[in-house]
Amino acid sequence: AQTVTQSQPEMSVQEAETVTLSCTYDTSENNYYLFWYKQPPSRQMILVIRQEAYKQQNATENRFSVNFQKAAKSFSLKISDSQLGDTAMYFCAFMNKNTGNQFYFGTGTSLTVIP
Amino acid sequence: DVKVTQSSRYLVKRTGEKVFLECVQDMDHENMFWYRQDPGLGLRLIYFSYDVKMKEKGDIPEGYSVSREKKERFSLILESASTNQTSMYLCASSFFQGSQPQHFGDGTRLSIL
Repeated sequence: AQTVTQSQPEMSVQEAETVTLSCTYDTSENNYYLFWYKQPPSRQMILVIRQEAYKQQNATENRFSVNFQKAAKSFSLKISDSQLGDTAMYFCAFMNKNTGNQFYFGTGTSLTVIP
Repeated sequence: DVKVTQSSRYLVKRTGEKVFLECVQDMDHENMFWYRQDPGLGLRLIYFSYDVKMKEKGDIPEGYSVSREKKERFSLILESASTNQTSMYLCASSFFQGSQPQHFGDGTRLSIL
């Protein structure tokens, strides 16, 4: 089984500042996808950004970007210009393309944006 | 937009009861998933399904079963509820093809007394 590790259970950031959430994973596969999901308090989990392992270019979605280091098996999420609405639990997830569509999630990082 | 609907946001049941959690998606997704979310443990997969009447065990299937009689509906069943099954339960769905993200419901917070 794949493992996904998020080593920061809780983080905080000042509004308008930049924060980076870390994620590492363990796999022997070469063909996979990585995702970051956001779960606001008492609200639905939604996709923030995804990265295909064969693409070297880091994915970007507005204020959200990733630093994908395939050799190091690292997939961090950078949030720029943090907003109060970014306060949420963030989950990193791994999907092995060759074995179907099962996702493996990390334990999550609780991010608080401080006004 | 994809809509994944879970039948209850909050549910309270008693030990030993048979509990049904229902999930319906409206996007013709082949895959459907049931997760359990506990603080410090993240999301753990209970069961998933690739097609009607098909099911696969996830990481923590013990004490649970599932049913998928129609493509849009995936039910999670606690055969005899126990207090250690008190948790948040999340349903998700996705297309079968790889790289497709999972779409989640709002979750059901289940308390077993």
